[in-house]
Amino acid sequence: NAGVTQTPKFRVLKTGQSMTLLCAQDMNHEYMYWYRQDPGMGLRLIHYSVGEGTTAKGEVPDGYNVSRLKKQNFLLGLESAAPSQTSVYFCASSFFRTEAFFGQGTRLTVV
Amino acid sequence: KQEVTQIPAALSVPEGENLVLNCSFTDSAIYNLQWFRQDPGKGLTSLLLIQSSQREQTSGRLNASLDKSSGRSTLYIAASQPGDSATYLCAALTSTNQAGTALIFGKGTTLSVSS
Repeated sequence: NAGVTQTPKFRVLKTGQSMTLLCAQDMNHEYMYWYRQDPGMGLRLIHYSVGEGTTAKGEVPDGYNVSRLKKQNFLLGLESAAPSQTSVYFCASSFFRTEAFFGQGTRLTVV
Repeated sequence: KQEVTQIPAALSVPEGENLVLNCSFTDSAIYNLQWFRQDPGKGLTSLLLIQSSQREQTSGRLNASLDKSSGRSTLYIAASQPGDSATYLCAALTSTNQAGTALIFGKGTTLSVSS
C-alpha cells in the first residue's frame, strides 16, 4: 500500500517553462488537494477536488491548473513557471471529512 | 475566513519534560482537527485526528484535546525525547467557498528536545 505518491520529487525549471506534477493515491479517496509550503507562510491550498472530474480553486490558485480525469490521480500544471512558484508542493487525499494523508512533496525551483 | 494560529513558533526543552503545544482557530464550525509532524525536508505525518464531536484523542505519549467553543486545541507530549524534535502542525478541516472542505493550517511549532 503506497498511500500518496508524488512525481517528481525534485525539479528545476527555467522561467517560462511548463511542467506537470503528478499525485497518485491508492486508497480510493474522493478528496484530493494540492498545497504549497513556503517559509513563513505555512501550507496554503492551491486547488482541490471532491471527486473524479471535479476541481475547485483554493486560496492561491493563480498560475496553476489542475485536472482529475481519474479518481486516483490529481495533476497540477504550471503553464509558464515564475520564480514566485519556487516552493515545496504537497498533495493530500482523504475520504469525506476524515483523516488526510500527504505525499512526500515535490521541491520545485524556478530560475 | 478560517485562520489557524500556533503558539509558540519555536520551543526548546530538555529531554524528559512534558510540554504543551497550542493551536487556535477563528471559525468554530470545523469538522475535525488534525495534528501533523514534519521533519526537515520531509512530508507530513499524521499524528492525531479529533472529530468535531470528540474532546480528545490519545496515541502513546501524545494527547490532543479540542474545545470547539473556545476555538482551541492542544497537543500534549509526555516525557519528551530527542526524537520528538520536529515541526508540529495543526490543521482544521473547514468548509470552503465552493461547497467542499479543506484543511487550513497553522504555521507550526518547531520543537527541539536536547539530551
